[in-house]
Amino acid sequence: LAKTTQPISMDSYEGQEVNITCSHNNIATNDYITWYQQFPSQGPRFIIQGYKTKVTNEVASLFIPADRKSSTLSLPRVSLSDTAVYYCLVGDHYGQNFVFGPGTRLSVLP
Amino acid sequence: GAVVSQHPSWVICKSGTSVKIECRSLDFQATTMFWYRQFPKQSLMLMATSNEGSKATYEQGVEKDKFLINHASLTLSTLTVTSAHPEDSSFYICSARVRDLTSRYEQYFGPGTRLTVT
Repeated sequence: LAKTTQPISMDSYEGQEVNITCSHNNIATNDYITWYQQFPSQGPRFIIQGYKTKVTNEVASLFIPADRKSSTLSLPRVSLSDTAVYYCLVGDHYGQNFVFGPGTRLSVLP
Repeated sequence: GAVVSQHPSWVICKSGTSVKIECRSLDFQATTMFWYRQFPKQSLMLMATSNEGSKATYEQGVEKDKFLINHASLTLSTLTVTSAHPEDSSFYICSARVRDLTSRYEQYFGPGTRLTVT
């Protein structure tokens, strides 16, 4: 199973761009990279998923270098409501082997 | 997007009793569902994989006789915590696996169930 490493916590201010980097040195060829957001006492919510290069949706961007050993979640202009825990997961095509790491606790300050 | 519900959202029970938690896929069918447990300030820990019509696959260290999983239909999986003890108090989250148009699988998570055993 591909293990992931993320910073335990990050602080930011409203309106800033936040970049959270995840390391996954032993990622397999079939593995995709998926990011989830979790608020207290709620289930994780899907943010974005990618395989290589850059993926962008309405809430975030995901940057994946050519070697795929890391990925960076970019949240543009965060607000207080973006305060949450963000998880980076690496899993295969069949959605198996999804192992949650400790996640990154993002605190957005006014 | 795909919606997964859980019932109840929270439950309090006495030590020694059993509690059943339901996980439903509301607008899609899921042949595979997953059950997670999350303690305060900790990450999600996969407990078991539930496949419709077959026995669940439990992760190492999870007692299958204590955490009974039934996936009798394509839209419902249940987790029964038998003879609950205070140390079973936790946040239980289910997810359902969905196959998208590119044949890639995604997981959609339920809102979770807070179990407190007194």
